[in-house]
Amino acid sequence: NAGVTQTPKFQVLKTGQSMTLQCAQDMNHEYMSWYRQDPGMGLRLIHYSVGAGITDQGEVPNGYNVSRSTTEDFPLRLLSAAPSQTSVYFCASSYSKSGVTYEQYFGPGTRLTVT
Amino acid sequence: KNQVEQSPQSLIILEGKNCTLQCNYTVSPFSNLRWYKQDTGRGPVSLTIMTFSENTKSNGRYTATLDADTKQSSLHITASQLSDSASYICVVSGPPGGSYIPTFGRGTSLIVHP
Repeated sequence: NAGVTQTPKFQVLKTGQSMTLQCAQDMNHEYMSWYRQDPGMGLRLIHYSVGAGITDQGEVPNGYNVSRSTTEDFPLRLLSAAPSQTSVYFCASSYSKSGVTYEQYFGPGTRLTVT
Repeated sequence: KNQVEQSPQSLIILEGKNCTLQCNYTVSPFSNLRWYKQDTGRGPVSLTIMTFSENTKSNGRYTATLDADTKQSSLHITASQLSDSASYICVVSGPPGGSYIPTFGRGTSLIVHP
């Protein structure tokens, strides 16, 4: 049982480049989410999904796309990287029911630098 | 707007001492309140989860308390160890039928010195 895995661990992009951050979980959780963490800001929700085929925006969705074709995978796409997207990105999965998020399991994070 | 405020922002204590971290929230009603520990360079790890009807929950040397009337929670760490040095994050989830988006605090940074 690997929990939540993320790849890559580190990435450097040039402004305007695109890339996909990968996230996978093997706990059969319906709810998955992407956060970014910046110094002094705490975790901020980018996008989330309550099941395969269903995604929605969080607090800071601009510049990011997601899709959820399977229960296990929830990739995050940066369309055209900007320096403001330099951050640490965490994927999380959890059991959820009727709009309530229960214990979330976080991945190890991807540290992204955009130059 | 739902908010979760944590205090202090940072704390330095000596190994072996106890400490208490605070979390005040405005999310109401809510379904659960969670405390996470985040080591530097790693993802957050769950310490405790309490529903609105619970007053206290323990996990080893970590004890969380909840006062739903005053909308306050605290995390008490007993006999601190060097490995307790981390950021501690308070998270509150809204009521059933509401938004799936939980509200995160900014965390308290704890440093334990030998």
